[in-house]
Amino acid sequence: AQRVTQPEKLLSVFKGAPVELKCNYSYSGSPELFWYVQYSRQRLQLLLRHISRESIKGFTADLNKGETSFHLKKPFAQEEDSAMYYCALSGQETSGSRLTFGEGTQLTVNP
Amino acid sequence: EPEVTQTPSHQVTQMGQEVILRCVPISNHLYFYWYRQILGQKVEFLVSFYNNEISEKSEIFDDQFSVERPDGSNFTLKIRSTKLEDSAMYFCASRMRGANVLTFGAGSRLTVL
Repeated sequence: AQRVTQPEKLLSVFKGAPVELKCNYSYSGSPELFWYVQYSRQRLQLLLRHISRESIKGFTADLNKGETSFHLKKPFAQEEDSAMYYCALSGQETSGSRLTFGEGTQLTVNP
Repeated sequence: EPEVTQTPSHQVTQMGQEVILRCVPISNHLYFYWYRQILGQKVEFLVSFYNNEISEKSEIFDDQFSVERPDGSNFTLKIRSTKLEDSAMYFCASRMRGANVLTFGAGSRLTVL
């Protein structure tokens, strides 16, 4: 079974502060991990995926297989980062790229 | 940029009625999905569809649910006899062959009274 846990439902930081959104997963095989973001009144969209190893909008995430984590980080949060963030997992052994989502973290960046 | 289009954006129905939610995936995508999100809960996988058949479905996707690709563009989710607990946001998604990234639609909000 595959499972994704985001322990924080709400996270509030001030503009310019570092931010870390936590994600832990459980999967017996080789997972592919993603972060999706949903801005207010917009659709779910891909923010980044672990195999790309790139920084998008200043965000990075490193897959830590030892700790089974894929935390999302940004050194200096901006007000426009306020959104709902979902960590998601796709198991390579599962056909059809079924995504398992975490519960989501609502990030608010205050001015 | 191409988008996944979903209609209706919001539907209100009486319990026991049939509902069809429609999706137009991106034109060169071959894999299609339905997810749902009950208010305040996580996004849950319902079903995946490829080559005109279901490739995987979750335990949520019982006999009340069906999917169809009636023509070359639409991908529909039918709920045969709606229940109160079917009230949720339903998201359609699609992807290309060889790409493991899903593109989501804006969602259809279903309210069952």
